[in-house]
Amino acid sequence: QKEVEQNSGPLSVPEGAIASLNCTYSDRGSQSFFWYRQYSGKSPELIMFIYSNGDKEDGRFTAQLNKASQYVSLLIRDSQPSDSATYLCAVNSGVTGGGNKLTFGTGTQLKVEL
Amino acid sequence: EAGVTQFPSHSVIEKGQTVTLRCDPISGHDNLYWYRRVMGKEIKFLLHFVKESKQDESGMPNNRFLAERTGGTYSTLKVQPAELEDSGVYFCASSRIGYTGELFFGEGSRLTVL
Repeated sequence: QKEVEQNSGPLSVPEGAIASLNCTYSDRGSQSFFWYRQYSGKSPELIMFIYSNGDKEDGRFTAQLNKASQYVSLLIRDSQPSDSATYLCAVNSGVTGGGNKLTFGTGTQLKVEL
Repeated sequence: EAGVTQFPSHSVIEKGQTVTLRCDPISGHDNLYWYRRVMGKEIKFLLHFVKESKQDESGMPNNRFLAERTGGTYSTLKVQPAELEDSGVYFCASSRIGYTGELFFGEGSRLTVL
């Protein structure tokens, strides 16, 4: 079993719809969870992070965490063509020396169609 | 503020040759990480520096890989001798000390070993 699992997609949604991206993780001791967006050939950039069970909203993005089910999701409302990218789920697998060691999923490719 | 910069963006070498990748973190970021993405796989942790010290190198594949961080500023990752399975994208990331949130990633160095 992979440590962080994501559906590779592609996930296709029409413009203006809600895109739902899902991620499960295996380490029950994981403390923090991150969603990165990566355009082809570019650096991963942080969209949201979440530490506590429940929902966290930032603009069109909502992260949801359920530690009991070891599940984290990202909702994108009013999807735009510019949201088309690969979304990477990452889990903090250990804080070493004041830093952050992340375990990534393989990413879900999102396509927002006109 | 300049982001994380990596050089070269793409390197093509023959099996058995040596390659050195360089990363310049964001100024003031004492944490520096190397990650690698092999085609079709997830981004995987290689190692973590705090200033010039290696804090965690548990992800380094073998002793053909050598990472250094001179004076706690830029870092290099040398692969010697390179093997076919070393091909992939090598990402560098940085963050402030004691900060367990966002890692700032560079655009990566793509290594192709023929």
